[in-house]
Amino acid sequence: DAGVTQSPTHLIKTRGQQVTLRCSPKSGHDTVSWYQQALGQGPQFIFQYYEEEERQRGNFPDRFSGHQFPNYSSELNVNALLLGDSALYLCASSLEVTTGGNSPLHFGNGTRLTVT
Amino acid sequence: SQQGEEDPQALSIQEGENATMNCSYKTSINNLQWYRQNSGRGLVHLILIRSNEREKHSGRLRVTLDTSKKSSSLLITASRAADTASYFCATDAATDKLIFGTGTRLQVFP
Repeated sequence: DAGVTQSPTHLIKTRGQQVTLRCSPKSGHDTVSWYQQALGQGPQFIFQYYEEEERQRGNFPDRFSGHQFPNYSSELNVNALLLGDSALYLCASSLEVTTGGNSPLHFGNGTRLTVT
Repeated sequence: SQQGEEDPQALSIQEGENATMNCSYKTSINNLQWYRQNSGRGLVHLILIRSNEREKHSGRLRVTLDTSKKSSSLLITASRAADTASYFCATDAATDKLIFGTGTRLQVFP
């Protein structure tokens, strides 16, 4: 039973460029959440996708966008990269949460993005 | 923004000792979860405690929740070197998204 897989594992980009990160959820999961984790910090919620729509969004600018495909996989796109976007980007999947957020998240190992 | 804050930020103990980490949060919750993260890797879910529960056990883990004080604690008994990791609490803040705290970095020395 494959867990959450993310690609690529590492990425180096230059300021101003655009990047796309990919995530395949755990088998049977239909909800994907994305988090940004700066070094030494806790994960910060970016957004959550369910049924191919963005359902929740954290405090991130519009440069951060995403997509969910019919097979539940997801992409995170970041435009006009800034040095401050350097971080570990984590994808997490879960079953569609009922009211109360009762579903534990299953995380991938992340994509380490470095912006120079 | 962080919903929760863990305390202490860092903790160093010897193998066999117990490790206690605390989490405080700001708003009402439906449940609270604890996760572990080994260096540079994804987070692993440890335990979920609902707002109407006061204590929960899982193996060497014991979690308590005090909703009146908006706080939780994670106790790891008989620590092992393999328990070395960062530990995060996460709350749902009455929504469907999980918000993570700042984390406690635990070092267990052999």
